[in-house]
Amino acid sequence: GAGVSQSPSNKVTEKGKDVELRCDPISGHTALYWYRQSLGQGLEFLIYFQGNSAPDKSGLPSDRFSAERTGGSVSTLTIQRTQQEDSAVYLCASSFTGIYGYTFGSGTRLTVV
Amino acid sequence: QQQVKQSPQSLIVQKGGISIINCAYENTAFDYFPWYQQFPGKGPALLIAIRPDVSEKKEGRFTISFNKSAKQFSLHIMDSQPGDSATYFCAARGRGADGLTFGKGTHLIIQP
Repeated sequence: GAGVSQSPSNKVTEKGKDVELRCDPISGHTALYWYRQSLGQGLEFLIYFQGNSAPDKSGLPSDRFSAERTGGSVSTLTIQRTQQEDSAVYLCASSFTGIYGYTFGSGTRLTVV
Repeated sequence: QQQVKQSPQSLIVQKGGISIINCAYENTAFDYFPWYQQFPGKGPALLIAIRPDVSEKKEGRFTISFNKSAKQFSLHIMDSQPGDSATYFCAARGRGADGLTFGKGTHLIIQP
């Protein structure tokens, strides 16, 4: 596609439920990133995928968070047993290898009630 | 701990004025410094970027000034317009690394 596509755009879930957030990167982009944006907290790095290499999971805040990338393309971020502090906008970005600037999607706004 | 400190948190500028947002970093291994612009409901979009081998880069009304010795860089928006009202993030990337470290953002309002 022409840009990075994220779905759903909005998600309201009850505390304790699991959620899955999806990211479709730009075709051909080998690098994919997930960030979390909380109000007044800027952009928090979560996880990074580069080609077929093992992902950099150093930013995941707890073991309730996990992500996978299938076939080097679509990625899914899963949050288990959601908590209210998980409420935020989850942003996905992608880029070509070695190209420093990357393209963000519009994000998924997650609200845990 | 890699960190990028951004200020101010919010800024109000009159139309036609100059908007200035500052960032400071600690890690001397950073070798790429982009600025992103984010409108409500949208993801951040790359606005302009600089590498530490130059002291200034200009694209239209947007200029990055870079001070390597002070480990600081800033974004200047000349002739600021209401359409520039957005949140601006500075960022830095480590040499050989792919992930960006972001500042906490500046909410810019241009008053007509």
